[in-house]
Amino acid sequence: DVKVTQSSRYLVKRTGEKVFLECVQDMDHENMFWYRQDPGLGLRLIYFSYDVKMKEKGDIPEGYSVSREKKERFSLILESASTNQTSMYLCASSLTTGTGYYNEQFFGPGTRLTVL
Amino acid sequence: SQELEQSPQSLIVQEGKNLTINCTSSKTLYGLYWYKQKYGEGLIFLMMLQKGGEEKSHEKITAKLDEKKQQSSLHITASQPSHAGIYLCGADAPVYNQGGKLIFGQGTELSVKP
Repeated sequence: DVKVTQSSRYLVKRTGEKVFLECVQDMDHENMFWYRQDPGLGLRLIYFSYDVKMKEKGDIPEGYSVSREKKERFSLILESASTNQTSMYLCASSLTTGTGYYNEQFFGPGTRLTVL
Repeated sequence: SQELEQSPQSLIVQEGKNLTINCTSSKTLYGLYWYKQKYGEGLIFLMMLQKGGEEKSHEKITAKLDEKKQQSSLHITASQPSHAGIYLCGADAPVYNQGGKLIFGQGTELSVKP
């Protein structure tokens, strides 16, 4: 059974702390994604990676960085957490395909981060 | 840039009733994905549509992509409390899409009253 796991389901941090969110997939997928989800705003892409050590900014990268040292692991880093980064964070992965091919993303269970 | 708009944003139905959720794109859809999300959890893939006029079903959920490939509908027949959650549509970007990025609608929150 395919699986994407995230390191924590719930996390509470203080303003200014450095926060690491970890995501691991066991499907040998090339692509991995980090989203945040907020009421009324849907899913917004923060960063994605299509290969080891490769990363691309999504729609809202400010205040975040990522690391992909191994194919199965994609980390999201909040360098200095702020209250407006309180959100649900979702990780996903998918196989590499081209235009017109199947790009189904598999999602992890999410991490609900609260920054006080 | 491409945008996906879902309607309605929220829906409350009586158990046993049918319902439809729409997803409209500002550009031609090359691949349209429907996901369901239970409250506080990750997204579960429901189905994917690629061809204009295509229709797929899974249990009591049917999704269709219109001929012009700019709108998709998700229809639930005889709704049950287990259908409650947030339904999201996602779409492939219209150009070569390195990394397989998807664009998502804002979601439709469905509540089913027993």
